[in-house]
Amino acid sequence: QTVVTQEPSLTVSPGGTVTLTCASSTGAVTSGYFPNWFQQKPGQAPRALIYSTNNRHSWTPARFSGSLLGGKAALTLSGVQPEDEAEYYCLLYYGGAQLWVFGGGTKLTVL
Amino acid sequence: EVQLVESGGGLVKPGGSLRLSCAASGFTFSDAWMSWVRQAPGKGLEWVGRIKSKDDGGTTDYAAPVKVRFTISRDDSKNTLHLQMNSLKTEDTAVYYCTTDPGSRGYWGQGTLVTVSS
Repeated sequence: QTVVTQEPSLTVSPGGTVTLTCASSTGAVTSGYFPNWFQQKPGQAPRALIYSTNNRHSWTPARFSGSLLGGKAALTLSGVQPEDEAEYYCLLYYGGAQLWVFGGGTKLTVL
Repeated sequence: EVQLVESGGGLVKPGGSLRLSCAASGFTFSDAWMSWVRQAPGKGLEWVGRIKSKDDGGTTDYAAPVKVRFTISRDDSKNTLHLQMNSLKTEDTAVYYCTTDPGSRGYWGQGTLVTVSS
C-alpha cells in the first residue's frame, strides 16, 4: 500500500518562513507525481493552492510556492500571515495504478 | 462564477446504497476530468475516484477501499457528476466532496455528509 507522508504539525511565527514536505513510500517524488497542495481551515472545504509541483492557482497568494526538495515535494510559505493557520494536504499521482493519494496532512500553527 | 454543488447525502444503514450528485456550473463541464474526495469526521482527505472526460474515453479509476462498491458517472447534458455507493460500510461515513481532477482548474464543492449507521 502506497503511503504519502507529511509532517503532522509545524509552528511558525508571523512573518516567518516555513517549508512543509511530502514524501512517497515508493521513493523520490518527481514532477511525474504532479504534486498538488491544498489548504483546509476548520469547517471549510479544502482549497487548492498549487498544482503540478509549482503552479499557483489564480487565487493563491504569491507567498505560497511549491518545489521539489531532497526527493520530496515541498510547499514553502514566506512571510506567513495569521490567516495561514490551517491544515495543509499534499496529493501525489501514481500513474502506474492511475490513482491519487493524499498525505496525512500538516497542521500549521502561526504563533 | 464556478460552482460545484453536491447533494444526496444522508443517513443510511450498513449494506445500503446512496447516490450522490454534483451540479457544476461556470466552466465547461464536458471538458473536465472530475473526482470525488471524502473526509471522515476528524480525519484527513481521501481520494475516492475520478472520471475522465468523454473525449478522453470517459473511463473511471477508484481507490482500493471503494473499488467494486462505488461507481462514478457523468451526465454532460446536465453538467452533473454522480457517485453511486453500494454495500455501504460504517467506515464510509464522511463528507464527500466533488472536485475537478487535480490540475489547473482546482474547483471544489462544499461537500455533502454521508452517515452509515444502524
